[in-house]
Amino acid sequence: KAGVTQTPRYLIKTRGQQVTLSCSPISGHRSVSWYQQTPGQGLQFLFEYFSETQRNKGNFPGRFSGRQFSNSRSEMNVSTLELGDSALYLCASSLGMRRGPPQETQYFGPGTRLLVL
Amino acid sequence: GENVEQHPSTLSVQEGDSAVIKCTYSDSASNYFPWYKQELGKRPQLIIDIRSNVGEKKDQRIAVTLNKTAKHFSLHITETQPEDSAVYFCAASRGGTSYGKLTFGQGTILTVHP
Repeated sequence: KAGVTQTPRYLIKTRGQQVTLSCSPISGHRSVSWYQQTPGQGLQFLFEYFSETQRNKGNFPGRFSGRQFSNSRSEMNVSTLELGDSALYLCASSLGMRRGPPQETQYFGPGTRLLVL
Repeated sequence: GENVEQHPSTLSVQEGDSAVIKCTYSDSASNYFPWYKQELGKRPQLIIDIRSNVGEKKDQRIAVTLNKTAKHFSLHITETQPEDSAVYFCAASRGGTSYGKLTFGQGTILTVHP
């Protein structure tokens, strides 16, 4: 099976712009989670989508949003970019076949490295 | 919310030695504890995980132990090799209504000297 893929791999934007990142999960996986990775804050959970619905959200401002399509592909959007948004954005997929189970293994994509100037 | 503390932040060992990384978590409802290895410029990769109904799990040179009472879990790497050099992250999850959310430790930079 192909692994989790993310596009684009690198992005350079300026403050105030917006950006959309894409994630394609492993075939058959219906849950997609997004994380922000920075040297200072480490890996932080942004949100999780399952069956086109956001089920969980981390402590990020409303400028960070996402969506999921019927084929389980997911996008995240950051509006009004700030310098502090520069980070590696990782998505991870898991089966998510049942509601309320223990967490199943998450497999990460290669990430999108965003630089805000 | 859940908080995961990871120690040490850096660890330097000689090839062939053992390495131990420790994590503590705050949410007693957490029941899934994965460990990820991230090499420079690459994605985090799962190396081993443990669930709360198990006290220890081993996979070749890698083992994880879990103490639910004390709320801590540890990664043990034996006979370390230079290719084990990477950043290691522990994480915790309670699943259920928080499915999809992993809370990560701050990471440990492991360097194995030949």
